[in-house]
Amino acid sequence: EVQLVQSGAEVKKPGESLTISCKGFGYSFSSYWIAWVRQMPGKGLEWMGIVYPGDSDTRYSPSFQGQVTFSVDKSVSTAYLQWRSLKASDSGIYYCARRYMSSWSMYPWGQGTLVTVSS
Amino acid sequence: QSALTQPASVSGSPGHSVTISCTGTSSDVGGYDYVSWYQQHPAKAPQLIIYDVDKRPSGVSNRFSASKSDNTASLTISGLQADDEADYYCTSYTNRRTLVFGGGTKLTVL
Repeated sequence: EVQLVQSGAEVKKPGESLTISCKGFGYSFSSYWIAWVRQMPGKGLEWMGIVYPGDSDTRYSPSFQGQVTFSVDKSVSTAYLQWRSLKASDSGIYYCARRYMSSWSMYPWGQGTLVTVSS
Repeated sequence: QSALTQPASVSGSPGHSVTISCTGTSSDVGGYDYVSWYQQHPAKAPQLIIYDVDKRPSGVSNRFSASKSDNTASLTISGLQADDEADYYCTSYTNRRTLVFGGGTKLTVL
């Protein structure tokens, strides 16, 4: 079964750094793009960007360019989302999702990681 | 990049049909056959229900159908059931080689 499993909830203070993870199971991790999606509390889904584990090719949404960094470690089939200096407005649920076949759609999705940034 | 435009809410009675629209531009919805739709129940991860404008992944009910005309895509849910009550999001590929979501539509089954 193809599955993405994300790291657990995080509580951080403004200015702190954070890396969350997304581990793929049941498929060739290097061969499928991984997308990151934000959902702020009570709000809709926002596409943050996408990374190709095969060569680390990365595309960021203009809204998130320079605010976060995507990376991958193929050896452990894991994608990462990193912040260098968190803000309260970074609070939300972050989902990873795999590109579905050759379509520009996303399936499956990880279970989500709740990030809370508060002083 | 602006989000695609969806109605904030729609409603329908059990057994009836509802349609949710998703309006973009020629740079996204109108320019590519890469419109997808997702269903999200409260406190759950989104689930893909339509990809490439009108295709259903294996296991998705044929009560879900979709289409596109010019810069507007549409999702129709027929034979409404209580479990269809959820938030629905469209996405489209864009000319910036990125994806963009719609603002989401809350479906209420009366």
